[in-house]
Amino acid sequence: DAGVIQSPRHEVTEMGQEVTLRCKPISGHNSLFWYRQTMMRGLELLIYFNNNVPIDDSGMPEDRFSAKMPNASFSTLKIQPSEPRDSAVYFCASSIDRGSEAFFGQGTRLTVV
Amino acid sequence: DAKTTQPTSMDCAEGRAANLPCNHSTISGNEYVYWYRQIHSQGPQYIIHGLKNNETNEMASLIITEDRKSSTLILPHATLRDTAVYYCIVMEYGNKLVFGAGTILRVKS
Repeated sequence: DAGVIQSPRHEVTEMGQEVTLRCKPISGHNSLFWYRQTMMRGLELLIYFNNNVPIDDSGMPEDRFSAKMPNASFSTLKIQPSEPRDSAVYFCASSIDRGSEAFFGQGTRLTVV
Repeated sequence: DAKTTQPTSMDCAEGRAANLPCNHSTISGNEYVYWYRQIHSQGPQYIIHGLKNNETNEMASLIITEDRKSSTLILPHATLRDTAVYYCIVMEYGNKLVFGAGTILRVKS
């Protein structure tokens, strides 16, 4: 398996634009996680899904952020409108179930100017 | 409300064992101890986890004290590629994985 695949790897956008980050989890994994990492705040869990259903979105910073998982092989994290403070590395991870080993993607480095 | 306490940073000589401590004095009976690491510019990588007993795999050993209030991750023969941030996480199986600040391990030649 190619592991967790995230796209794009790098994204530079202007303030106010919509940004969509994509994630393809490992086949057969039932849990999916979105994290954000900054120097100031470290790794923050934004939301996680189990069997395509959002279980906990308490980490989503505000209404500008939304995440979907339309099927077991694809998830998106959308920011609309984007702001400079959203600049960070966003990681997607998947696991067979919620307690087992989580596999992380390479991340998407987002820069909002 | 951090559940774990780890040193901010540690140094280790290449080829020697790296022993990374973690305090989790408020751990409950059904909470596991997980270790992940993050090498620069990469996503975190799972290392090992345990409940009560010591655990060993191809990457590391996990030693948990009898009272479960602390643990030590051991990398038996550290290499330069083991330089990373190491995260000790306490959570119930099935709960969400929350990362703290971790320990920066620097392996030096």
